[in-house]
Amino acid sequence: AQRVTQPEKLLSVFKGAPVELKCNYSYSGSPELFWYVQYSRQRLQLLLRHISRESIKGFTADLNKGETSFHLKKPFAQEEDSAMYYCALSRGAGEYDYKLSFGAGTTVTVRA
Amino acid sequence: TAGITQAPTSQILAAGRSMTLRCTQDMRHNAMYWYRQDLGLGLRLIHYSNTAGTTGKGEVPDGYSVSRANTDDFPLTLASAVPSQTSVYFCASSDNSGGGNEQFFGPGTRLTVL
Repeated sequence: AQRVTQPEKLLSVFKGAPVELKCNYSYSGSPELFWYVQYSRQRLQLLLRHISRESIKGFTADLNKGETSFHLKKPFAQEEDSAMYYCALSRGAGEYDYKLSFGAGTTVTVRA
Repeated sequence: TAGITQAPTSQILAAGRSMTLRCTQDMRHNAMYWYRQDLGLGLRLIHYSNTAGTTGKGEVPDGYSVSRANTDDFPLTLASAVPSQTSVYFCASSDNSGGGNEQFFGPGTRLTVL
């Protein structure tokens, strides 16, 4: 069974400080990992996925298969980064099973 | 385009009553999903549909049923609501035809069962 763990429910940082959201997963195959974000009064939306290997809004995430982790990082947090962040996992391409398993979420508050 | 719409926005329901949450997408996505969002538990998949005419059970399907008569609509029915079904419900869709699986979410329905 696949499982996603986000150990931090709440994360508070000051503006300009680095922020790291932890995500660990368990899955026996080669998963696809995602970070979704929900800003206040907005819909849940995709932030980034590991296969894209890109930086979105200054955020990056590296898939570490050895540690089964997909931590989300940003070197300088901004107030507009305050949101709920979800790590999610799906089975790899080719398995025709694209259901997502979500972590419990981390609420990030960036203070001025 | 509207993307994904859900109705109603919120609802208070007496225990034992039935209710259907509506979800419609105009993106012609083949796959659709229903999640419930609960504090400390994140999003949990209730039911899903990979294509019109097929449905499958997710992580927490008990007490819920779905149908997928066409590509656009994916209603979620609570036959006899219980207080533990108080939650925020999100519908989502994705185009998995090319192997990609970004899910697009609706605005949610806040349901309170008393």
